[in-house]
Amino acid sequence: NAGVTQTPKFRVLKTGQSMTLLCAQDMNHEYMYWYRQDPGMGLRLIHYSVGEGTTAKGEVPDGYNVSRLKKQNFLLGLESAAPSQTSVYFCASNLAGGQVPYFGPGTRLTVT
Amino acid sequence: AQSVTQLDSHVSVSEGTPVLLRCNYSSSYSPSLFWYVQHPNKGLQLLLKYTSAATLVKGINGFEAEFKKSETSFHLTKPSAHMSDAAEYFCVVRTGTDKLIFGTGTRLQVFP
Repeated sequence: NAGVTQTPKFRVLKTGQSMTLLCAQDMNHEYMYWYRQDPGMGLRLIHYSVGEGTTAKGEVPDGYNVSRLKKQNFLLGLESAAPSQTSVYFCASNLAGGQVPYFGPGTRLTVT
Repeated sequence: AQSVTQLDSHVSVSEGTPVLLRCNYSSSYSPSLFWYVQHPNKGLQLLLKYTSAATLVKGINGFEAEFKKSETSFHLTKPSAHMSDAAEYFCVVRTGTDKLIFGTGTRLQVFP
């Protein structure tokens, strides 16, 4: 049982490039989330999903897209990266409403 | 709308002395509250959770927190700090739609 995993762990992009971050969980969780962490701001919710095939916007969704085609995977896409998207990205999941979320180890993204 | 405020961005203590990390929340109904810890360059680990059972919640590594509805507080305490407690701590409230709202974090330094 690997829990919540994130791929890649580190990435450097040039402005305008695109990339996809993958979050995978093997706990059969319904709910999945993408957060970004910036110094002095805690974690802010980008997008989330309450089940396969569903997605919803969080607090800071602009510049990101997501997809949940399979229950175990939640993808975060950056179509045209900007330096303001330099951050550490965390994925989380929980079984159902009200359950404790489990976090992945994070992806450190730098956009130059 | 729910929110959470961590009253101190930095706290410094000597090893063996008590730890107090302060958190106030705002919620229109009985909230679910959590404390997470993040060690340098690591992911987030759940320390403890409050979900409307006992108001004094015990967590891992000797930490505990007391839910005080009258003061809208959920402060984290530990009787005796250890060097390994040095980390960033986040107070978190869960919204009615299962989103997590993070505080901005408190960095705990422990001096020998």
